[in-house]
Amino acid sequence: EIVLTQSPGTLSLSPGERATLSCRASQSVSSDYLTWYQQKPGRAPRLLIYGASSRPTGIPHRFSGSGSGTDFTLTISRLEPEDFALYYCLQAVSSPLTFGGGTKVEIK
Amino acid sequence: QVQLQESGPGLVKPSDTLSLTCDVSSYSINTNNYWGWIRQSPGKGLEWIGYLTYSGGAYYNPSLEGRATMSLEKSNNQFSLKLSSVSAVDTAFYYCARWHHTNAFDLWGQGTLVTVSS
Repeated sequence: EIVLTQSPGTLSLSPGERATLSCRASQSVSSDYLTWYQQKPGRAPRLLIYGASSRPTGIPHRFSGSGSGTDFTLTISRLEPEDFALYYCLQAVSSPLTFGGGTKVEIK
Repeated sequence: QVQLQESGPGLVKPSDTLSLTCDVSSYSINTNNYWGWIRQSPGKGLEWIGYLTYSGGAYYNPSLEGRATMSLEKSNNQFSLKLSSVSAVDTAFYYCARWHHTNAFDLWGQGTLVTVSS
């Protein structure tokens, strides 16, 4: 089973600041199978990034993904008030699919 | 607009079988997509339960030790999850989702809380 470790656990930032979230895999993950999700309290997760770096239609350009192999990054260029939430990475290169433990982006 | 909606009992007794249905609207499940279930214990992270292929084949998380069964109900444009021999650790929000060809869960239901308690 591939373990995804997300860091930091909590990121305290102010609106307008840049957020950098890390997702590290215990084994190499093809970029095609690495995705990022945003979850707000009481809501279902929402797809933010697929294929490690591609944005679905409707996702703002301030969200970007990068990385390869075992190290992936989600960057929010300038935090908007609605971006304070939980973020999860998911790998689907091998079964079982596994999620990271999440990073909470909170208002400083 | 494609929507997914979970339904089922919110309370299940220990050792019973949890049964949930996901109703898919504005999109046929009989297309080249997989259909999945994910759960989240209150205050915890996300756990993949499994997913179904459009032809009815299924892949499950081994952590469930064979207790999960998923099926397609094409006539109703629904798919379902059954989880047997439940215990308190199965208390969670259960989400159904569409697995897209981009290798992502691109659409999610709103989730339903299932509590296992006597």
